[in-house]
Amino acid sequence: GAGVSQSPRYKVAKRGQDVALRCDPISGHVSLFWYQQALGQGPEFLTYFQNEAQLDKSGLPSDRFFAERPEGSVSTLKIQRTQQEDSAVYLCASRQRETASYEQYFGPGTRLTVT
Amino acid sequence: LAKTTQPISMDSYEGQEVNITCSHNNIATNDYITWYQQFPSQGPRFIIQGYKTKVTNEVASLFIPADRKSSTLSLPRVSLSDTAVYYCLVGDLGAGNMLTFGGGTRLMVKP
Repeated sequence: GAGVSQSPRYKVAKRGQDVALRCDPISGHVSLFWYQQALGQGPEFLTYFQNEAQLDKSGLPSDRFFAERPEGSVSTLKIQRTQQEDSAVYLCASRQRETASYEQYFGPGTRLTVT
Repeated sequence: LAKTTQPISMDSYEGQEVNITCSHNNIATNDYITWYQQFPSQGPRFIIQGYKTKVTNEVASLFIPADRKSSTLSLPRVSLSDTAVYYCLVGDLGAGNMLTFGGGTRLMVKP
């Protein structure tokens, strides 16, 4: 079946612009996660949704970062007034209902470059 | 969350068995050990998960000694397509849901 999809795959923004990154999770997956991956490093947690509720946003680096999942399916990560340090790959992952597994299904990511 | 330590990089040749060891001295009683694989320009992919002793699936084996302070991911007969970054993660399945990745091990398989 279809996996997690993300769009756009690549985004170039000028410093100060706002960007919106979209994630389509696997159908029926309750949990949705956003991660940020800098070049050469492992992914770092940003925020987590269970259905439409944002249960953890402790990883968001600043108030310029905002995520939503209004209908409990598609999610959007928005970054306002982008800065060069925001350049990274943004990964979305989804997971079924709570199970005895750490398995999350990741999308291919959106590579954001801020110039 | 328990901190993990794994080699930054490893080289191997096609057809060899590769063992990647991860140290997690502060693993807690409720923690599980999970490994993910990541290819360039892709998101991480779940490989295997275990709590103790040995777990095997169609992709890999995971060996966990009795003290659980380390674990070894074993990839049998690697091919060029196994070149990737491998991440060891340790955590309590019931305590939050996020994954905490370290730096991973870059495996290079040579012909």
